[in-house]
Amino acid sequence: DTEVTQTPKHLVMGMTNKKSLKCEQHMGHRAMYWYKQKAKKPPELMFVYSYEKLSINESVPSRFSPECPNSSLLNLHLHALQPEDSALYLCASSQDLGLPGQGYTFGSGTRLTVV
Amino acid sequence: GQNIDQPTEMTATEGAIVQINCTYQTSGFNGLFWYQQHAGEAPTFLSYNVLDGLEEKGRFSSFLSRSKGYSYLLLKELQMKDSASYLCAVRDRGNTGFQKLVFGTGTRLLVSP
Repeated sequence: DTEVTQTPKHLVMGMTNKKSLKCEQHMGHRAMYWYKQKAKKPPELMFVYSYEKLSINESVPSRFSPECPNSSLLNLHLHALQPEDSALYLCASSQDLGLPGQGYTFGSGTRLTVV
Repeated sequence: GQNIDQPTEMTATEGAIVQINCTYQTSGFNGLFWYQQHAGEAPTFLSYNVLDGLEEKGRFSSFLSRSKGYSYLLLKELQMKDSASYLCAVRDRGNTGFQKLVFGTGTRLLVSP
């Protein structure tokens, strides 16, 4: 299995809703990432987990709450989002944080629309 | 912080060669990646450079000059399916000591017949 699987592929939620995005990989990768990508813009890093511990939080608002229940799963809990949070949310994984030549494997993303 | 710049858009003809440039300024450089991303899809890994020089992989080559903070991606024998966004990304240690991948502004390439 060489994939990162994200669910759901599409999500529409109201500003008062609570929802979760899920990401799963079975490649034995120990680093996992959440990125946010607006239309025609590059992905922007949100969170980095290494060995199931949060290593980097890029000053993301608290309405986004990451969780790494085990080495294969990464969740992003959403609460009280704003319309400007509408974007493609990408999950990625890598074998480790800094091994040379380690490309990141990206999931196909969840397209989130906040109404 | 990081500053990674690419041209916004480029056009080329099928069968031609195109070079996409990337310039960067980072505090803890530890490698440069190129990714391809088709609209609405995930980025896919193309190449990696950590030492100066050229890395060749089939129709794609990538070059790095660390002293100049410069890289390019060279695409040969362009095909219509090469129409996509090309993202330069730098792995940076930053101030926290943890490494992270930071993307450049991205270049949209349009290949015409």
